[in-house]
Amino acid sequence: EVQLLESGGGLVQPGGSLRLSCAASGFTFSSYAMTWVRQAPGKGLEWVSAISGSGGSTYYADSVKGRFTISRDTSKNTVYLQMNSLRAGDTAVYYCAKVARPTHVLDYWGQGTLVTVSS
Amino acid sequence: EMVMTQSPTTLSVSPGERATLSCRASRSVSSNLAWYQQKPGQAPRLLIYGASTRATGIPARFSGSGSGTEFTLTISSLQSEDFAVYYCQEYNAWPPRYTFGQGTKLEIK
Repeated sequence: EVQLLESGGGLVQPGGSLRLSCAASGFTFSSYAMTWVRQAPGKGLEWVSAISGSGGSTYYADSVKGRFTISRDTSKNTVYLQMNSLRAGDTAVYYCAKVARPTHVLDYWGQGTLVTVSS
Repeated sequence: EMVMTQSPTTLSVSPGERATLSCRASRSVSSNLAWYQQKPGQAPRLLIYGASTRATGIPARFSGSGSGTEFTLTISSLQSEDFAVYYCQEYNAWPPRYTFGQGTKLEIK
């Protein structure tokens, strides 16, 4: 059974940093790209970032480019999202999701972790 | 920039009746269109991909159709557990630039 478990969310001041983690199980982690999607309170879904299965290629939405960094550790079956220079507009539930092959649709999602940026 | 527009914003339907949700892309996405269901406090769940293929474990009452820029999600006979928010999403070839619609809230009439 595929499971994705996010952690690392919390309250942070504007300009601060936070690192999210997503622990994966139930599939061959290194064979699949992973992605982060966020949802601001009461709002819709926004794609944030993605990383290839090897970790060699990373992609970002324009809204977070230069501030967020996605990475993965195959030995720990974990994908990370390092978030720097956080803004109030980054407040959201952050979901990690597995990218299906060969379709690239997001076939499994974690339960999400809430990030609140506020002074 | 790709824009996905869903209609209506809110749809009120009685249990047992049919619900039809629409999604329009600002330019062709071929059949690279997915539908997700999200219930309050839960993560989205994949329902349909490839515009018309049901994901694993999704009941046959859910069906998708369309290609290019116009897509439809139909729920043939609404069950109580189907009342939720539904999102369409375009997914292009790698590298990803996933774009979601703003969602349609399906509520009990």
